[in-house]
Amino acid sequence: DARVTQTPRHKVTEMGQEVTMRCQPILGHNTVFWYRQTMMQGLELLAYFRNRAPLDDSGMPKDRFSAEMPDATLATLKIQPSEPRDSAVYFCASGSPGGTNEKLFFGSGTQLSVL
Amino acid sequence: AQTVTQSQPEMSVQEAETVTLSCTYDTSESDYYLFWYKQPPSRQMILVIRQEAYKQQNATENRFSVNFQKAAKSFSLKISDSQLGDAAMYFCALPFNISSGSARQLTFGSGTQLTVLP
Repeated sequence: DARVTQTPRHKVTEMGQEVTMRCQPILGHNTVFWYRQTMMQGLELLAYFRNRAPLDDSGMPKDRFSAEMPDATLATLKIQPSEPRDSAVYFCASGSPGGTNEKLFFGSGTQLSVL
Repeated sequence: AQTVTQSQPEMSVQEAETVTLSCTYDTSESDYYLFWYKQPPSRQMILVIRQEAYKQQNATENRFSVNFQKAAKSFSLKISDSQLGDAAMYFCALPFNISSGSARQLTFGSGTQLTVLP
């Protein structure tokens, strides 16, 4: 079955370190979303790509977060420097081409703990 | 602004019984989709069921069905013959347009944690 693949599944790091999370969207999907899930805020959209171009990253702290799609099979979310408040589960989701992409397929997430 | 509200943080149901999870929403759009996603302990977000707002008929997927009341902006999920594997966090979600381009993203409710009792 086609699925969205995220790595790593878990990441523990110290404050100030750089963190890179990776996502492989489903082959043929042209939209990629990054969400962050916390107990307090629930699921929040961080960034959105369509055909590899960033269309919306207004939910992302620009000073420390960056999101890229170097090619159609890889999306990355980077935090530099990381802070304890960044501790959360980060999800990548991809949407099918055409239409309005309401149906999203989610990866299993990266559990990030910043000490 | 679009909002999605799930007023039941936790619910429990006896195995084989039926349970209904509530969701209300607010949108200015007339044509839209609504979703229920399930998140088990594995963290995977799994699409359970989808309802198209212009359709009168409530969506059904095996043991899962919805009660969609468009005028009341209510979208509840009914799980029949509950199984232990149904235990998970359930999220109601509503797509809306991102400001740039024609893209749409999901607004999620705060979730309902469902426990299935053996």
